[in-house]
Amino acid sequence: GAVVSQHPSWVICKSGTSVKIECRSLDFQATTMFWYRQFPKQSLMLMATSNEGSKATYEQGVEKDKFLINHASLTLSTLTVTSAHPEDSSFYICSANEQFFGPGTRLTVL
Amino acid sequence: GIQVEQSPPDLILQEGANSTLRCNFSDSVNNLQWFHQNPWGQLINLFYIPSGTKQNGRLSATTVATERYSLLYISSSQTTDSGVYFCAVERNNQGGKLIFGQGTELSVKP
Repeated sequence: GAVVSQHPSWVICKSGTSVKIECRSLDFQATTMFWYRQFPKQSLMLMATSNEGSKATYEQGVEKDKFLINHASLTLSTLTVTSAHPEDSSFYICSANEQFFGPGTRLTVL
Repeated sequence: GIQVEQSPPDLILQEGANSTLRCNFSDSVNNLQWFHQNPWGQLINLFYIPSGTKQNGRLSATTVATERYSLLYISSSQTTDSGVYFCAVERNNQGGKLIFGQGTELSVKP
């Protein structure tokens, strides 16, 4: 089946730094990818829709200037958490279509 | 927006037991999926089932779209079935955006 990878799988950073997370579709092309965030013991919440060749669309309440999304090619989307703070610590998951999800990236901001 | 409610929130089973997980949704949907999230966070699609019944080994699912609910059946549970089961729906014409329920955390004891 379709495979979606994420890198890194986990990252620890200092408050105020920026962190980039990559999402790749390994054996298929994806014009649309989705980014979700999951806090401990909670459900997945959609953050934004990443569109190849155009701007991402963000869900209500998600700061587009803080969570920068770039869909550079048909197989790669990146999420950059800018000026990360401890409250941004979470599990970030991408999907390259509605059925196949990446393994997630656990971000811890100290 | 659409509400997705799952029950029960937690479930503890003895290995070999059967169980039924329920997902209620508040509006008509274009798509409904069941996922299993393993202890490492990976989401695995179990069923794409906007209506009808499907079976895959020990798992089966039924969605009654007119009554806005779906059921996931797990028979002869195994310890490897442990994890969180999510129901996720897509409203009509939402381009793949999924709204997740809060999940059912299943623990199967040997």
